[in-house]
Amino acid sequence: EAGVAQSPRYKIIEKRQSVAFWCNPISGHATLYWYQQILGQGPKLLIQFQNNGVVDDSQLPKDRFSAERLKGVDSTLKIQPAKLEDSAVYLCASSPQRDNIQYFGAGTRLSVL
Amino acid sequence: GQQLNQSPQSMFIQEGEDVSMNCTSSSIFNTWLWYKQDPGEGPVLLIALYKAGELTSNGRLTAQFGITRKDSFLNISASIPSDVGIYFCAGRDVYNQGEKLIFGQGTELSVKP
Repeated sequence: EAGVAQSPRYKIIEKRQSVAFWCNPISGHATLYWYQQILGQGPKLLIQFQNNGVVDDSQLPKDRFSAERLKGVDSTLKIQPAKLEDSAVYLCASSPQRDNIQYFGAGTRLSVL
Repeated sequence: GQQLNQSPQSMFIQEGEDVSMNCTSSSIFNTWLWYKQDPGEGPVLLIALYKAGELTSNGRLTAQFGITRKDSFLNISASIPSDVGIYFCAGRDVYNQGEKLIFGQGTELSVKP
């Protein structure tokens, strides 16, 4: 079974630029999550989708972050404009409904200069 | 908000030694999870605990769900060099909008051959 795919693996941008990350969850997983992991910390949930609907985006900085999962499969996370403090690893995870165990992708490491 | 306190923050041990790390919370969780994260990768699930008092093993790993439902520990016996990495505890919080994982800060394990 293929795992959660994320791209790109690395991204370096200057502050105030825009960036987008892509995630392809495990086939058949209805729930998709985006996490932000700052160096030296555990992952922090940004947004959770159930199929193509948002379940929880309470911790998403909506003035600059947006995410979508239009067809209930792939998802994109966008930052516009980026700030220095957005430097982090952005992890995507998905889970099946039967046990809700979350499986993580390798992440996208973002550096904002 | 909810917080998990994970300790120790880091450990330096000799190959063959046993390791113990724990996680405490101010809130009750219905599920405790332990993940391992290797450099440049996403967290990988090691053990999931679903009942207070539950003791579960996975090879050389043993984890327990505390009776109060506010803590959990992970033991690794006879450590080997490939045990190196960051170990995260996570509590699963079920709430109105759905459920989410709250992660600890991680325990970084170094194993000297």
